Amino acid sequence: GAVVSQHPSRVICKSGTSVKIECRSLDFQATTMFWYRQFPKQSLMLMATSNEGSKATYEQGVEKDKFLINHASLTLSTLTVTSAHPEDSSFYICSASLAARNTGELFFGEGSRLTVL
Amino acid sequence: GENVEQHPSTLSVQEGDSAVIKCTYSDSASNYFPWYKQELGKRPQLIIDIRSNVGEKKDQRIAVTLNKTAKHFSLHITETQPEDSAVYFCAARSSGGGADGLTFGKGTHLIIQP
Repeated sequence: GAVVSQHPSRVICKSGTSVKIECRSLDFQATTMFWYRQFPKQSLMLMATSNEGSKATYEQGVEKDKFLINHASLTLSTLTVTSAHPEDSSFYICSASLAARNTGELFFGEGSRLTVL
Repeated sequence: GENVEQHPSTLSVQEGDSAVIKCTYSDSASNYFPWYKQELGKRPQLIIDIRSNVGEKKDQRIAVTLNKTAKHFSLHITETQPEDSAVYFCAARSSGGGADGLTFGKGTHLIIQP
């Protein structure tokens, strides 16, 4: 299968600071990556769709100026949580699909647990 | 957009018994329905998926059925084992390929009682 790696796995920051999370496809090219957020004991909520070389598409209710997404290459997408606040504390997971295979199967990163103090 | 409902939210079964989790979806154009297993603090892992041109798919102890007319699909786990304990999510996607993200159900916490 395809491997998606996410970094950092855990991050603790002070309120008001910005945090960057990286998502890499290690053995395949991903023209599209997806960012999800998961609160404790809840489901995965799609935040945005990241497209290589173009602007991300955000889901309704997700602030694009707060959650900056950059997909600069076919193997890397980054999510930056700007001016983080305690309510942004969550598990952020990226995923990607194998464009070449076009099966629709999503491969998930390990997730990044953000704690904002 | 797509809306996926999942039931039950918690399911407790005796080891060796079968477990069934059900999901419904709203968008009749949806054509891809995966099931993911997530252990605490870890990434979701795909366990089985089905496409709208298939009614049933089986992989050892796991099977998924799809009823397009009723817009519902189910996960069946037979001969449950302790390692099956986890949260299971169903999902649906309304377009082909990988251009759209999945819409997930709320999850089912499956507990296997020894």
